[in-house]
Parts: sequence; C-alpha cells; structure tokens
Amino acid sequence: DAGITQSPRHKVTETGTPVTLRCHQTENHRYMYWYRQDPGHGLRLIHYSYGVKDTDKGEVSDGYSVSRSKTEDFLLTLESATSSQTSVYFCAISAATTVNYGYTFGSGTRLTVV
Amino acid sequence: QKEVEQNSGPLSVPEGAIASLNCTYSDRGSQSFFWYRQYSGKSPELIMFIYSNGDKEDGRFTAQLNKASQYVSLLIRDSQPSDSATYLCAVKASGNAGNMLTFGGGTRLMVKP
Repeated sequence: DAGITQSPRHKVTETGTPVTLRCHQTENHRYMYWYRQDPGHGLRLIHYSYGVKDTDKGEVSDGYSVSRSKTEDFLLTLESATSSQTSVYFCAISAATTVNYGYTFGSGTRLTVV
Repeated sequence: QKEVEQNSGPLSVPEGAIASLNCTYSDRGSQSFFWYRQYSGKSPELIMFIYSNGDKEDGRFTAQLNKASQYVSLLIRDSQPSDSATYLCAVKASGNAGNMLTFGGGTRLMVKP
C-alpha cells in the first residue's frame, strides 16, 4: 500500500469539543487533501495543501481548519464539533499536477459527534 | 459550480455480463478523468484514468471519453461478484493549481452470481 495513514480510525466525540484528525504520508508527495464522504453527497473537499504551510479551502470548509508544518503531516481540526460533522473523513495525497496523477487515499476516519 | 453526475444505482448485472457505468461533467475545461472503486467500508482505489478522447483498455476495464459530449464511461467486461462495489467518477479541471479532483456521487454496482 501507498504510505498514507490516518489516525484515529474511529472516534466518538461530544458536541462542542475540538477534534483533530491526522494524516501522515511517507511518499514525500506535495499535495494533500481532506475530504468528507456522506450518503447522498459523495466525496466533498474540505481543505487541501500544496506545500508546507500552504493550504486553501475547499467547498465545505466552514467549521474546519488545517495545518501542515511538515511535508508528511496534514492535520484537520474541527474547532467545535457539531452533529452535522458526523461523517467519514478521507485524506488523500497526490504527487504532481500532470494529467494522469490521481489520488491515493488513506483508510479513512469514521467520526461520530454525539 | 463544477458538477460531476452519476446515476446512484444500484446497477444490477448477472455474472459474466458487461457492466456500463456512466458519468457526465459540467466543466468543459476538464482535463483528465478518473474511475475509482470503493468497497463498502473501505477507501476509494484508483482503477482507471483517461485524458484523451476515445477508449482506453486495461484488462477487463475500458474507459471511454467524449469531451464534446462531456461524457465519460467505464465498461467492465465479464463482470464478477468481486466487482460489486461503488464506482466513483472524478474529474480534474485544467488550470487546476491545487491538482484537485471533483467527484461524482458514485454508482453502486451489484454483480449477481
């Protein structure tokens, strides 16, 4: 498997608490992404990074922040978790911008906000 | 808003048949196209990509692209029960500095023995 791991794999948290999800890669890829996957909505981009300390928002970024202090780590923080943020979160990595580079996904984090 | 549309299914085919999965996209500037397979409870895995008009074959899989019609499809020949999964279409736009993919909602395929 590609060297990408997500932690934790499962988490249950209470409404209003902050939560941080971690994505770690050993591929030295430049691009990293956080998606959420929900029934009826498919995969939606939350935030992405195109280098250390270089990040930008995706289509569903409200309530989320990210940080990338090292090439290998991309952190997603839910500042104050809400029930609408119950979802499966996938991290993905990509090597380059050429036409034939897709993503490799991590195994996902199932987050439940109660 | 750039959109990628797929029929959610389920698409049910008998074992050994050809499964045809379709995807349309709204952004004429889209540059390359990907098909991912996702088993229940697992992460998506890349199975095909295509960026030129026409067909691209890889084993039992054929991707077809028609940019004029903004249409991409995936054919699975000799379908097997192990092909039962959700298939996600993804599109990369040109001039996409972030290398971002936009995903369709996926089509669930069921191959019956």
